Amino acid sequence: QSALTQPPSASGSPGQSVTISCTGTSSDVGGYNYVSWYQHHPGTAPRLVIFEVNKRPSGVPDRFSGSKSDDTASLTVAGLQAEDEADYYCSSYTDSNTLVVFGGGTKLTVL
Amino acid sequence: EVQLLESGGGLVQPGGSLRLSCAASGLSISSYAMYWVRQAPGKGLEWVSGIRGSGRKTYYADSVKGRFTISRDNSKETVSLQMSSLRVEDTAVYYCARDVVGGSHSYFYGMDVWGQGTTVTVSS
Repeated sequence: QSALTQPPSASGSPGQSVTISCTGTSSDVGGYNYVSWYQHHPGTAPRLVIFEVNKRPSGVPDRFSGSKSDDTASLTVAGLQAEDEADYYCSSYTDSNTLVVFGGGTKLTVL
Repeated sequence: EVQLLESGGGLVQPGGSLRLSCAASGLSISSYAMYWVRQAPGKGLEWVSGIRGSGRKTYYADSVKGRFTISRDNSKETVSLQMSSLRVEDTAVYYCARDVVGGSHSYFYGMDVWGQGTTVTVSS
């Protein structure tokens, strides 16, 4: 069982927006602004798309955005494109002795 | 080209040991926290271990604590993961990754540079 809770799947049609949630606790998501999101296509290295809740690394389209409310962080992908179909994982700093926690992942399908 | 290159994966019997290495090419990792993350077949990403840039502070997931040891050699821009008492459930692709933010800090900001992964198979 993952420390952070994500829905197993999400979907949307091309051009639509989809939001993926990531729920933790006050020891991780709720207590710190250190939530990051990764896009992972099978067989490739994961790609950072959001860090520190809502910051985008260079090269990541502004269609990707992040937010947080209390213990839940969210990743929104606007203007869905076929290449957005992938697995998405959230992670967070945690003040437990393990430092990092991951979500179980959400498979995003572009219909 | 900016990349992290993992090596050392392979087939090992349960109870055996393996040492993974991660070498930086085209980028510096000496002042960055570094991490190992794995993905078991059909499963999601799992954070395994981390080490501060200084090497003085290390972190482990509960699932590997006491069996895995992370270390680094900043002069060689490398990070290693010594794995012992391996179990079937340690079978996975192991990735090394660099923290987004360098320098001395006590947090985890995210992982912006990843290697392509090395496969570890634990089986008799």
